[in-house]
Order: sequence, then C-alpha cells, then structure tokens
Amino acid sequence: DAGVIQSPRHEVTEMGQEVTLRCKPISGHDYLFWYRQTMMRGLELLIYFNNNVPIDDSGMPEDRFSAKMPNASFSTLKIQPSEPRDSAVYFCASRNYTGELFFGEGSRLTVL
Amino acid sequence: GQNIDQPTEMTATEGAIVQINCTYQTSGFNGLFWYQQHAGEAPTFLSYNVLDGLEEKGRFSSFLSRSKGYSYLLLKELQMKDSASYLCAVRDHSGGYNKLIFGAGTRLAVHP
Repeated sequence: DAGVIQSPRHEVTEMGQEVTLRCKPISGHDYLFWYRQTMMRGLELLIYFNNNVPIDDSGMPEDRFSAKMPNASFSTLKIQPSEPRDSAVYFCASRNYTGELFFGEGSRLTVL
Repeated sequence: GQNIDQPTEMTATEGAIVQINCTYQTSGFNGLFWYQQHAGEAPTFLSYNVLDGLEEKGRFSSFLSRSKGYSYLLLKELQMKDSASYLCAVRDHSGGYNKLIFGAGTRLAVHP
C-alpha cells in the first residue's frame, strides 16, 4: 500500500521564482494537510482540506502561498513569488478515520 | 488559540527510561498524539490518548490528564535508534473540524 507521495523531494530555486509542490494522499483518506517545518518554528499547519474542500487556511503565511485540491488524489502548494524565508521542509499528510496522520517524505525547499 | 510546550532537548543512557512531558492549552481538545521524527525523515505515529490514563504499546507508553492539560511519553529500555525528535500534537475540534497542532518537539539523544 503506497503511502503519501510528495514531489519534488528537493528543490533549489532563486528568489522570485514560482514553486509548486505536489502531493498524492493515501487512497480513501478524506483529509489532507500541508505543514511546513523549520528549526525555528517547528511543524506549522498551513492549510487543510476535507473531501477536496479547503477548510482552514489561516496558517498560510501570505498571499504568495496558495493551495488547491482538484480531486481526491492530488493537491498542490504553490509559492509565487518565492523568498529566502520560505526555505523549509514542506510536508503533506493525509488522515484516516482514526485520526492518525500519515506523512509524506517531505519536499525540502531552498530559496536562494 | 493553542499553546503546546515540551522541553527542547533531553539526553539519556542506553537501557534507561526517559519521560518526555508535554503541556497544552486549547479550546477544542479532542485527543493528543505523539509522533517520532528521525533527522531528515517524516514524522511517524507513536501513540494516541483521548481519555485520561495510560496507554501502553511495547516499550512506549503515553499518559494523559485532560484536567491538567498534561501528557507524557515514557520510553523504556532505551536503544540508540530511539535518538530522534518526539512531537506532542493536540487535535483541536474548534470550528467543527479536527486539525492537528504540533509542539516544537523534544530532541532526545541516547548515548551508550
């Protein structure tokens, strides 16, 4: 059974460029979460979806960040334009009926 | 809002027992999770408490006191592979949906 799949695993880009991170949740999970992890701030919840509908995006830091979930098997997190302070590991996670979160391997973003 | 506190770092000796504490404040408490995260990897589920008391799972146990806003994770017979960060996470139900808010994590170093 495949877990949560994220791509890319690593991305290095220059300030001002658009970044798109992708996530495929576990089949049958109806919640999808995007988290960001840094040494300074730990694991922060950015946004989450229930049945493809965004429920709470209060954690999205700025308008430069946007997330979509066009169907039950795919979500994107986009940063445009990117800035050096966006450098972090971005995790996608999906949730089963017990409430346990299953995390992807993360996308490590470096903005120069 | 939510507030989750746990020690930043702990050290322990192989074969010993260590207790990692977590205190929390939240308006819509609906369960507490512990996750383990090895360096460079995704968090993985360890335990879940929603009622007061102790939940035991092999070498790991987790305790919850809802009235005190307090939990601990107990690790017995420590092994070197237990060196990792341990994340306390509170499930918050305010707003009608469940979301998982993480503490900053406790880095545990196990030495011979």
